[in-house]
Amino acid sequence: RKEVEQDPGPFNVPEGATVAFNCTYSNSASQSFFWYRQDCRKEPKLLMSVYSSGNEDGRFTAQLNRASQYISLLIRDSKLSDSATYLCVVKGGMGRRALTFGSGTRLQVQP
Amino acid sequence: GAVVSQHPSRVICKSGTSVKIECRSLDFQATTMFWYRQFPKQSLMLMATSNEGSKATYEQGVEKDKFLINHASLTLSTLTVTSAHPEDSSFYICSARGSVGAGEQFFGPGTRLTVL
Repeated sequence: RKEVEQDPGPFNVPEGATVAFNCTYSNSASQSFFWYRQDCRKEPKLLMSVYSSGNEDGRFTAQLNRASQYISLLIRDSKLSDSATYLCVVKGGMGRRALTFGSGTRLQVQP
Repeated sequence: GAVVSQHPSRVICKSGTSVKIECRSLDFQATTMFWYRQFPKQSLMLMATSNEGSKATYEQGVEKDKFLINHASLTLSTLTVTSAHPEDSSFYICSARGSVGAGEQFFGPGTRLTVL
């Protein structure tokens, strides 16, 4: 079983749509959680951290459920520029300091 | 945010040659650097973790004699792919983390290696 699992997609949505991505992680000792964005042939870039209380950054809302080991990302009012691969990332647990990446969910926003 | 550079950004080489990739933290001291590899349509997989002045810690399944890592200073780490083969063709990304603050990891732009 992968440490971090995501639906690979692709998600094809029209501009203005709301889209939700889900992620599950297997290591209950994981301590930090993030969503990264990766454009084609580029390095991943931090989109936002994820907290149990939920956090919002503009059109993006992230949520963490530690009991279910489940992380979500909601994008409202999708823009063409949101087209990318969204990576669910966890850190910590079992003495690991490096980040563990999911395989990503591809989003394609269409005009 | 902090800047991490990688060089070269792209390299094409013949099978059997060795390739060195440099990773530099430009405006902070990176006490820890991470090397990842990403095959097409797959996730970033951690290859090794290196701390300045000490030997790198390799992940299971990564050959330390094939992927030589040197973290000689707080701003530079190098990854050398020795005797590269076509199956080593991949996107190699380094990440650096300082000791100050929350210790966010900053990623380099990646190096695309193609072995013919």
